[in-house]
Amino acid sequence: EAGVTQFPSHSVIEKGQTVTLRCDPISGHDNLYWYRRVMGKEIKFLLHFVKESKQDESGMPNNRFLAERTGGTYSTLKVQPAELEDSGVYFCASSQLFSGTASYEQYFGPGTRLTVT
Amino acid sequence: AQRVTQPEKLLSVFKGAPVELKCNYSYSGSPELFWYVQYSRQRLQLLLRHISRESIKGFTADLNKGETSFHLKKPFAQEEDSAMYYCALGVTDKLIFGTGTRLQVFP
Repeated sequence: EAGVTQFPSHSVIEKGQTVTLRCDPISGHDNLYWYRRVMGKEIKFLLHFVKESKQDESGMPNNRFLAERTGGTYSTLKVQPAELEDSGVYFCASSQLFSGTASYEQYFGPGTRLTVT
Repeated sequence: AQRVTQPEKLLSVFKGAPVELKCNYSYSGSPELFWYVQYSRQRLQLLLRHISRESIKGFTADLNKGETSFHLKKPFAQEEDSAMYYCALGVTDKLIFGTGTRLQVFP
């Protein structure tokens, strides 16, 4: 079974440009999460989709970040315009739609390393 | 505030030595705690969860509500245990991670 996939694996862009990250969750996983790890800091939650609906977007840094999950399958995270502090590794994770502890068994993708110069 | 603290950035031990990776949490409710691990060139993956009280790859972790701790332990470290370990708190379906501890096991 294919795991969570993310594209691209690495992106280098200039400040002010736009970047779109893509995540394909495990088939059948209705929960989809985005996390980010900035150098030297903890992995931080960005947002959570249940199917195509945003369940929790409390971790989104600001309105330069836009996440979508059309049709409840893959998700995109767009950063526009990118700033230097957006550099980091962006992880996507998915899990099955259970309540309670089972939803915390999240399967992570390999991450997208974003470098803003 | 909900927070997970891992005080050690790096823990180095020799093969066969005991290992304890520290994790403390701050949460007003009943905590759900997890250890995730990332081996070199691999993805972040769930190692164990407190509610199942299981031992995975020889690792155990006991939730101590009095000390608000969830330390990860292994009596005899192996070289293949070298990895980045993250303690995580589950809150309303999302995970709150600590900063991680890199475990290096020398031969």
